[in-house]
Amino acid sequence: AQKITQTQPGMFVQEKEAVTLDCTYDTSDQSYGLFWYKQPSSGEMIFLIYQGSYDEQNATEGRYSLNFQKARKSANLVISASQLGDSAMYFCAMRERMEYGNKLVFGAGTILRVKS
Amino acid sequence: DAGVTQSPTHLIKTRGQQVTLRCSPKSGHDTVSWYQQALGQGPQFIFQYYEEEERQRGNFPDRFSGHQFPNYSSELNVNALLLGDSALYLCASSLGLGQGRDSYFGPGTRLTVT
Repeated sequence: AQKITQTQPGMFVQEKEAVTLDCTYDTSDQSYGLFWYKQPSSGEMIFLIYQGSYDEQNATEGRYSLNFQKARKSANLVISASQLGDSAMYFCAMRERMEYGNKLVFGAGTILRVKS
Repeated sequence: DAGVTQSPTHLIKTRGQQVTLRCSPKSGHDTVSWYQQALGQGPQFIFQYYEEEERQRGNFPDRFSGHQFPNYSSELNVNALLLGDSALYLCASSLGLGQGRDSYFGPGTRLTVT
């Protein structure tokens, strides 16, 4: 079974600074997908960024970028120019192949607090 | 274009009772997956419905059951509620079984069992 590890229970960052949220994964599959989601206090999971295992370039979506190091099995999320609205829970997830389709396997999450 | 909707938003039940949660997928999506998120943890996959059948199931007891209707909406039923069933229940919809970047999550239903 696949596993996602997020070792930072909580992080603080000053507004307008960059922050890196760590994620390591474990899989024996050659083809896989990695996701980052943001979960504000309202509860909804908001998709941020996706990295496929065969993608040669690190994924970027606006202020979000994914530092993908395949050999180290890490997929860290970098948020540049942090904003107060970035304060939320962040989850790293991996798509796991099942018999008839796929499911998402999530890490335990990191709480990010942006300070003004 | 409405996204994924879930109802109710919150509910409180007593141990031993039964509960039904509902999910309407995003327009154009035909697959619904359910996740349980206990407090302070990441979501855990419960099961997935496609073409009105349960296609995948996570490590959850038979007390958890579901249904998908012809309009692709879905219900999650939990029987004989336990205190440990208290959680946020998230529904995700997608086109097909892929659970890729086109999956959209609903706002969740927060269930409290007393």
